[in-house]
Amino acid sequence: QKEVEQNSGPLSVPEGAIASLNCTYSDRGSQSFFWYRQYSGKSPELIMSIYSNGDKEDGRFTAQLNKASQYVSLLIRDSQPSDSATYLCAVNNGNRDDKIIFGKGTRLHILP
Amino acid sequence: DAGVIQSPRHEVTEMGQEVTLRCKPISGHNSLFWYRQTMMRGLELLIYFNNNVPIDDSGMPEDRFSAKMPNASFSTLKIQPSEPRDSAVYFCASSLGAQDRNTIYFGEGSWLTVV
Repeated sequence: QKEVEQNSGPLSVPEGAIASLNCTYSDRGSQSFFWYRQYSGKSPELIMSIYSNGDKEDGRFTAQLNKASQYVSLLIRDSQPSDSATYLCAVNNGNRDDKIIFGKGTRLHILP
Repeated sequence: DAGVIQSPRHEVTEMGQEVTLRCKPISGHNSLFWYRQTMMRGLELLIYFNNNVPIDDSGMPEDRFSAKMPNASFSTLKIQPSEPRDSAVYFCASSLGAQDRNTIYFGEGSWLTVV
């Protein structure tokens, strides 16, 4: 069983619309959840982190966490062409808090 | 502040040659990670250190790979002998650990091509 799963995409969203990215994880003991954005040829950069059930908003980004369903999502409002990238979901290992495991990422394409 | 620094940024080598990748973590960070990224397998954790001690090397693919962290400001990932299937981007990342909720920060990566 894969530890962190994401739909590989590509997910195509019109400019100005809401992009919804989803991630499921297998370790019920996980406590920290992260979303990283990776542009082609670049390294991953942190855009959101969430630790408690519910929503966390930061500008156009909202992270949502449901530990009971082992599900974390990222919403991007008012999508811009500059949001086109691969979005990586990352989760810490429940037995080793400092071990961070990544999903394979979802490619997002914002259509101008 | 300087981020995670990796070298070389790009390397092309012939099969069978030794490859050494280097990493300087963010000053003060106590955890260091080596990841490998390919299209097929995504971002895989190879090994990570805490306070210079290897904690989990279960992701190291085989004995050809080795990693060391002789001090808090330097780590190496060595491949000997290299094979074409080792071609990938190798990322080093560091973290403050629990003080920063285990948030990790990446270097720019070392792009390795083995021909």
